[in-house]
Amino acid sequence: EDQVTQSPEALRLQEGESSSLNCSYTVSGLRGLFWYRQDPGKGPEFLFTLYSAGEEKEKERLKATLTKKESFLHITAPKPEDSATYLCAVRANTGFQKLVFGTGTRLLVSP
Amino acid sequence: NAGVTQTPKFRILKIGQSMTLQCAQDMNHNYMYWYRQDPGMGLKLIYYSVGAGITDKGEVPNGYNVSRSTTEDFPLRLELAAPSQTSVYFCASSEGLLNQETQYFGPGTRLLVL
Repeated sequence: EDQVTQSPEALRLQEGESSSLNCSYTVSGLRGLFWYRQDPGKGPEFLFTLYSAGEEKEKERLKATLTKKESFLHITAPKPEDSATYLCAVRANTGFQKLVFGTGTRLLVSP
Repeated sequence: NAGVTQTPKFRILKIGQSMTLQCAQDMNHNYMYWYRQDPGMGLKLIYYSVGAGITDKGEVPNGYNVSRSTTEDFPLRLELAAPSQTSVYFCASSEGLLNQETQYFGPGTRLLVL
């Protein structure tokens, strides 16, 4: 069964304190790994898609990386506006475009 | 583009009542999805559609129905509301093409069944 585990569940950082969020997955052939940001009371907002091990993508203070078993979302010098829940999802290499989501990491960045 | 829109934003239902959650997208996407999100749980797929007139069940379809008469709209129907259907519901859409599989989400509908 395809599975996604995110850690930590919650993370508190000081502004400027860099860190990484982890997404471990087991899937029957990875077609894609997706990172989303979700603010309270809102829908998930797309950040990145990674397709193969070794791939990296960046957007402002965020950088996503992918290995054969996990993905990291690195946050460099975070700001309070980076506070949100970060969701990871995988698309397996089977028939339909179903995404399996993790439960997310709640990030709080204090000024 | 408005993207994916959902109505209503919030609704309280009594047990046994029915309602339809509306979803529309203006990106001409072929694929549309309905998810529910419960506290401490990952998003779970309820139903999906790969085009007008074509729908199929996801992981948690019991108690729900869908239809897709146009490319733009994908309503979700709750026939007999139960407390277990208290949740936040998200609609999403994607192009459906190879390597164009990113799903874009609406703002959600919060449903409380009492």
